[in-house]
Amino acid sequence: ETGVTQSPTHLIKTRGQQVTLRCSSQSGHNTVSWYQQALGQGPQFIFQYYREEENGRGNFPPRFSGLQFPNYSSELNVNALELDDSALYLCASSASGLRYEQYFGPGTRLTVT
Amino acid sequence: AQTVTQSQPEMSVQEAETVTLSCTYDTSENNYYLFWYKQPPSRQMILVIRQEAYKQQNATENRFSVNFQKAAKSFSLKISDSQLGDTAMYFCAFQPNFGNEKLTFGTGTRLTIIP
Repeated sequence: ETGVTQSPTHLIKTRGQQVTLRCSSQSGHNTVSWYQQALGQGPQFIFQYYREEENGRGNFPPRFSGLQFPNYSSELNVNALELDDSALYLCASSASGLRYEQYFGPGTRLTVT
Repeated sequence: AQTVTQSQPEMSVQEAETVTLSCTYDTSENNYYLFWYKQPPSRQMILVIRQEAYKQQNATENRFSVNFQKAAKSFSLKISDSQLGDTAMYFCAFQPNFGNEKLTFGTGTRLTIIP
């Protein structure tokens, strides 16, 4: 069984640029949730995708957007990067009906300069 | 909206001793889950233990156990016979049992096990 994977591991971008982060869900999981973890903080919910549709969103501006593909992998896109977007971005996958079992990937560390 | 509070930013304990991490939460819901996650320096968030709110019995996983006080909205984690590998950030998290079931995390407790 393949676990949750994320790419890239690290990324450095300049303010104003755009970035795409990727997440491959665990086999058999159809739900992906994205979280932002600022340094020294707990993760904060960005949004969730279920069967290719957004299924709930946290308090993040529209420049944070996402996609889920037919194989249930997912992308997180952030436009017009700001310095405060520097954080660890975590994705978690789960199966519908079993969302109390969320499995996290290793995260992507994004630095905005 | 739910909130999760961890009032101990840092803790340290000698190897083999017992340590208790505190967590309180606020919600108007009656049906939910509570979790403790461990995040070592490798950054991967690892589930330590899960408690279902409708179960009165406290969850136990080997050396890890919880003290769940629903009326007081308290959810502490006890680590017995602590090991060097327990050194990590520990996050308490709340998840409602409806909707998109997003996780709400506390700010974490940095636990250091001293050899």
